[in-house]
Amino acid sequence: DTGVTQSPTHLIKTRGQQVTLRCSPISGHKSVSWYQQVLGQGPQFIFQYYEKEERGRGNFPDRFSARQFPNYSSELNVNALLLGDSALYLCASSLRDGNQPQHFGDGTRLSIL
Amino acid sequence: AQSVTQLDSHVSVSEGTPVLLRCNYSSSYSPSLFWYVQHPNKGLQLLLKYTSAATLVKGINGFEAEFKKSETSFHLTKPSAHMSDAAEYFCVVSERGFQKLVFGTGTRLLVSP
Repeated sequence: DTGVTQSPTHLIKTRGQQVTLRCSPISGHKSVSWYQQVLGQGPQFIFQYYEKEERGRGNFPDRFSARQFPNYSSELNVNALLLGDSALYLCASSLRDGNQPQHFGDGTRLSIL
Repeated sequence: AQSVTQLDSHVSVSEGTPVLLRCNYSSSYSPSLFWYVQHPNKGLQLLLKYTSAATLVKGINGFEAEFKKSETSFHLTKPSAHMSDAAEYFCVVSERGFQKLVFGTGTRLLVSP
């Protein structure tokens, strides 16, 4: 089985730009969550989507948005990038909502200059 | 609010000796607890999870953890460390029935020959 795939693997942007990160869940998984991991810290929850609906949102500004498509893939968008947005962005998928094991991709490393 | 505290930022062991990574949790509800491992430049891999069944949880690669409600602890152990165990380990809590994971700050395990 193919695991969770994220693209791109690395990205360099400048302050004020916009970025879109992509995630393809494991086949059959309907829930996707996004996390931000700043260097030296644990991941922080950004969003969860299930069946194309937002089911949870972490403490992030409105510059962060996401969506889930009919094939259950997902995009995370960040507008007006700040230096502090430099991080590893992780996507996780699970079969359903609720207490299901979450499987993580290898992440997208975003660097802001 | 839920939180986890990982009591050691770094743990150093010799190959073949026991591993103990300590975690205390705080939760207003019956929690689900997890340990994840992250190798350099990789995503997160689930080692084990506790969701109110047996208090001693066995995971992959010889790891296990014991849920102690009276001590609000969920320590991770392994009888004999391997070089391949060197990685960052995260203790994680979630409210049962919800997907949002709350991560600790991580413990870096160093294994020397």
